[in-house]
Amino acid sequence: DGGITQSPKYLFRKEGQNVTLSCEQNLNHDAMYWYRQDPGQGLRLIYYSQIVNDFQKGDIAEGYSVSREKKESFPLTVTSAQKNPTAFYLCASQDGDTGELFFGEGSRLTVL
Amino acid sequence: GQSLEQPSEVTAVEGAIVQINCTYQTSGFYGLSWYQQHDGGAPTFLSYNALDGLEETGRFSSFLSRSDSYGYLLLQELQMKDSASYFCAVALNTGGFKTIFGAGTRLFVKA
Repeated sequence: DGGITQSPKYLFRKEGQNVTLSCEQNLNHDAMYWYRQDPGQGLRLIYYSQIVNDFQKGDIAEGYSVSREKKESFPLTVTSAQKNPTAFYLCASQDGDTGELFFGEGSRLTVL
Repeated sequence: GQSLEQPSEVTAVEGAIVQINCTYQTSGFYGLSWYQQHDGGAPTFLSYNALDGLEETGRFSSFLSRSDSYGYLLLQELQMKDSASYFCAVALNTGGFKTIFGAGTRLFVKA
């Protein structure tokens, strides 16, 4: 089936550790996004990529890093520099013709 | 900066009509979208307006006025399953395309 796959679904991390969240899509979309969602809040843009080997910072990029080496993959690393990393992380790819975002099921990160 | 404003909560009864407004202050505006999110789930696409006017998709309609930097989502014949959060999102072209979201409106549908 076509779609966006995020893993892991749940992740626990100790303070000071880096963690990488995986996002894979088989929709052949050029654009991919990472958003952060805190309880009862909207989606805040972390990083986005319009094409392979290129990405831009969103509104809350500090403490995060990404790579876009393949069209299908857009992993997000939450580094120890991120002061408050506990959140729900959503990855999406975008249909270039309609603008519609297709989301993965999300990764819930908890820092212990 | 870029900002989107929408009400935090709306309550309505089953079978009624509800309108969720969204105003935005952005540069490079390209279009307005609406997404629905149930608790614990991922957002799903509802509608997109690039031009002024009303777009209708079943029980849901969306409206855009670019001159007023305003749009709304209209939900008709409300059902209990419509209880969810609704987000407006703007597509921006600021030297590259990106999509940013409002804080969301929590809709409670009562019997």
